Amino acid sequence: DAGVTQSPTHLIKTRGQQVTLRCSPKSGHDTVSWYQQALGQGPQFIFQYYEEEERQRGNFPDRFSGHQFPNYSSELNVNALLLGDSALYLCASSWDTNSPLHFGNGTRLTVT
Amino acid sequence: RKEVEQDPGPFNVPEGATVAFNCTYSNSASQSFFWYRQDCRKEPKLLMSVYSSGNEDGRFTAQLNRASQYISLLIRDSKLSDSATYLCVVGPYNNNDMRFGAGTRLTVKP
Repeated sequence: DAGVTQSPTHLIKTRGQQVTLRCSPKSGHDTVSWYQQALGQGPQFIFQYYEEEERQRGNFPDRFSGHQFPNYSSELNVNALLLGDSALYLCASSWDTNSPLHFGNGTRLTVT
Repeated sequence: RKEVEQDPGPFNVPEGATVAFNCTYSNSASQSFFWYRQDCRKEPKLLMSVYSSGNEDGRFTAQLNRASQYISLLIRDSKLSDSATYLCVVGPYNNNDMRFGAGTRLTVKP
């Protein structure tokens, strides 16, 4: 039973570029949440997808967008990258809003 | 007030010690509470859920105080392998998402 998988593991981009991160949820989970974790901080909620719709959004600018596909996998897109976007991006899946989150290994994004 | 607040530590304790972490949360309507463990440069992993009546899993005990809006984690007989950052998670906020504290760093020394 595969857990949450994310790709790529690491990514280096330059300012102004765009990036797409991918996530496949744990089998049986239909809700996908994305978090950004800066060094030394707790994960910050970006947004959550359910039934291919963005259901909830945290305090992140419109440069951050996402998508969920019919198979529940999800993408996170970040446009016009800033140095401050350098962080670990975590995808988590769950089977409802009150159940524990299961995290993927994360994508470490470095913006130079 | 932060949504979820933790003492960042670090807590440096000897092997065999008992250590306790507290976490306060701002949303009185929260229904789900968890403790996660995060090793350096790894993803958070669920340590245990926190139930209203309190719960125990081996050396770990979690408590919830709804009136004061805090949860706690007690680790008994600390092991070197317990060294990690412990994240408090509370939700749902705004009906759907879970919010994390900044984490408490624990180092257990020989």
